[in-house]
Amino acid sequence: GAVVSQHPSWVICKSGTSVKIECRSLDFQATTMFWYRQFPKQSLMLMATSNEGSKATYEQGVEKDKFLINHASLTLSTLTVTSAHPEDSSFYICSASVGTSGITDTQYFGPGTRLTVL
Amino acid sequence: RKEVEQDPGPFNVPEGATVAFNCTYSNSASQSFFWYRQDCRKEPKLLMSVYSSGNEDGRFTAQLNRASQYISLLIRDSKLSDSATYLCVVNGNTGGFKTIFGAGTRLFVKA
Repeated sequence: GAVVSQHPSWVICKSGTSVKIECRSLDFQATTMFWYRQFPKQSLMLMATSNEGSKATYEQGVEKDKFLINHASLTLSTLTVTSAHPEDSSFYICSASVGTSGITDTQYFGPGTRLTVL
Repeated sequence: RKEVEQDPGPFNVPEGATVAFNCTYSNSASQSFFWYRQDCRKEPKLLMSVYSSGNEDGRFTAQLNRASQYISLLIRDSKLSDSATYLCVVNGNTGGFKTIFGAGTRLFVKA
């Protein structure tokens, strides 16, 4: 099956620092990658959708200048949380899919990155 | 109204029981539907896709009713290992692709 990796799996940082999270599709080329955030006991909330070589599409309420997404290749997308604050502490999960015409089918999820901002 | 709503759990059932989860969605233009399973502090894993004709995978049966905008998941002969949160997921492409996750239903299967 399709495998998606994320790095790092967990990170603790001081308030005000920036954190970069990588998402890689290991055995397939992902047309689209998604970034989600999940707070404790809540469901996944889509933050943004990114396609290789183009700007990410952010969901309403997600600050694009704070959550920088770069989709450099068909196998790599990065999310940078800039000037992180304690309220940004969350479980960040990426997913990747292979689809055509902008319509995706199954999403394959990475193992997630647990961010704790002190 | 939430775009995807699920049964509030948790469901506490004994081993061997049959349990059903429901999910409704508000966007009639939604195009694909899935059930995912998420274990505590882990990423979601695809359990099965959901089709109008219904589909079965071992002890799991999923149904889609487009007219009622309703999705269901039936688990027969519950195992302890079925304990998890089950997420209903709806994809659509109206005004841009969008994936919506339900809040999830927690299932506890007890010996």
